[in-house]
Amino acid sequence: DGGITQSPKYLFRKEGQNVTLSCEQNLNHDAMYWYRQDPGQGLRLIYYSQIVNDFQKGDIAEGYSVSREKKESFPLTVTSAQKNPTAFYLCASSIGGAGQDTQYFGPGTRLTVL
Amino acid sequence: AQSVTQLGSHVSVSEGALVLLRCNYSSSVPPYLFWYVQYPNQGLQLLLKYTTGATLVKGINGFEAEFKKSETSFHLTKPSAHMSDAAEYFCAVRNSNSGYALNFGKGTSLLVTP
Repeated sequence: DGGITQSPKYLFRKEGQNVTLSCEQNLNHDAMYWYRQDPGQGLRLIYYSQIVNDFQKGDIAEGYSVSREKKESFPLTVTSAQKNPTAFYLCASSIGGAGQDTQYFGPGTRLTVL
Repeated sequence: AQSVTQLGSHVSVSEGALVLLRCNYSSSVPPYLFWYVQYPNQGLQLLLKYTTGATLVKGINGFEAEFKKSETSFHLTKPSAHMSDAAEYFCAVRNSNSGYALNFGKGTSLLVTP
């Protein structure tokens, strides 16, 4: 089955700790995205990557970092610099960067700061 | 920049009644518009999208939306609500400045009552 997997489903972080969220896709998509979802806020773009070894900041990149060493993988690290990391994180991918391409979403990771 | 506004954070309908979820967009270029559905603690699933061509777009699960340029609207409708339609619905527009990421509305929670 082709799709996007995110792990873990639930993640708990202590204050001052860095954590990494995994996103893997086997759709052979070039473009990948990370969004953050807060209640009543919709989804906001953290980072995006249109091609391997290249990525760009989105609207709320502060306190986050990413890498894109392989086409199928786009991990997100939530650093201790992120002041309010508790949220639902969604990874998405699309064939390329064309406007009409559909974005497909993973099942999400819920991060809670203890 | 492109943006969307969803009117009504909560909508309640009776089973069998018409579903109407409102979305207005703002865009300086021809927009690519999307509707997604999200069930609790899950990722987003595409309902339908408008790119070019026919302005009445049919999607999955009996939903459809009409692109009206004169009204800058892309409202989502379904003739007869089912209990299984209860979910969060997001309208989104493609952002040509961010690798064609999506700019989302804040979402509308649909409640279906017996």
